[in-house]
Amino acid sequence: DVKVTQSSRYLVKRTGEKVFLECVQDMDHENMFWYRQDPGLGLRLIYFSYDVKMKEKGDIPEGYSVSREKKERFSLILESASTNQTSMYLCASTEAGGLTNQPQHFGDGTRLSIL
Amino acid sequence: AQTVTQSQPEMSVQEAETVTLSCTYDTSESNYYLFWYKQPPSRQMILVIRQEAYKQQNATENRFSVNFQKAAKSFSLKISDSQLGDTAMYFCAFMRALYNTDKLIFGTGTRLQVFP
Repeated sequence: DVKVTQSSRYLVKRTGEKVFLECVQDMDHENMFWYRQDPGLGLRLIYFSYDVKMKEKGDIPEGYSVSREKKERFSLILESASTNQTSMYLCASTEAGGLTNQPQHFGDGTRLSIL
Repeated sequence: AQTVTQSQPEMSVQEAETVTLSCTYDTSESNYYLFWYKQPPSRQMILVIRQEAYKQQNATENRFSVNFQKAAKSFSLKISDSQLGDTAMYFCAFMRALYNTDKLIFGTGTRLQVFP
């Protein structure tokens, strides 16, 4: 089974801090994604990556950046955390599938609170 | 732009009964994929079922089946013989059929409670 591991289930940080959320997958997947989940809004894509050192903006990239130095690891960075970034963050990965889209496999999520 | 709408924020069903969750979407694409994901209280998002838009036959996975109406842009999920373990948040999602992969566009979710 595919395993997508997020480093923290719960995280509490202060306004203005630089925050790192880590995600590791063990199936050699090319594609990795960061989503944000808020009640009443569903999941929204922040950033994604098709390959090492490659990144693409999603629908809500403002206030975030990402890093992918190794294929298995995709980091989400909050440059200067703000209270409106309090949310659940979900990482996902999927293999490259040609024209056949593979389902995304998700981690357990990190519930981040910014005080 | 593509959008996904789930109009039922919450639903409940008695154990062993059948329940249908609604989903509509909007797109100008002719080829795409549709998914239903389940998120139980444990939080991990689990794929329940997927449908390729070019297939007319509705997908089924054990007790889960879909009613895919391409012209109406409707993709409902039917859960038969509901079990307590089906209690979860259910998300409908859309993905364009592109080379490699694409982002998922999610609806706002339906919280399903199964009662004994």
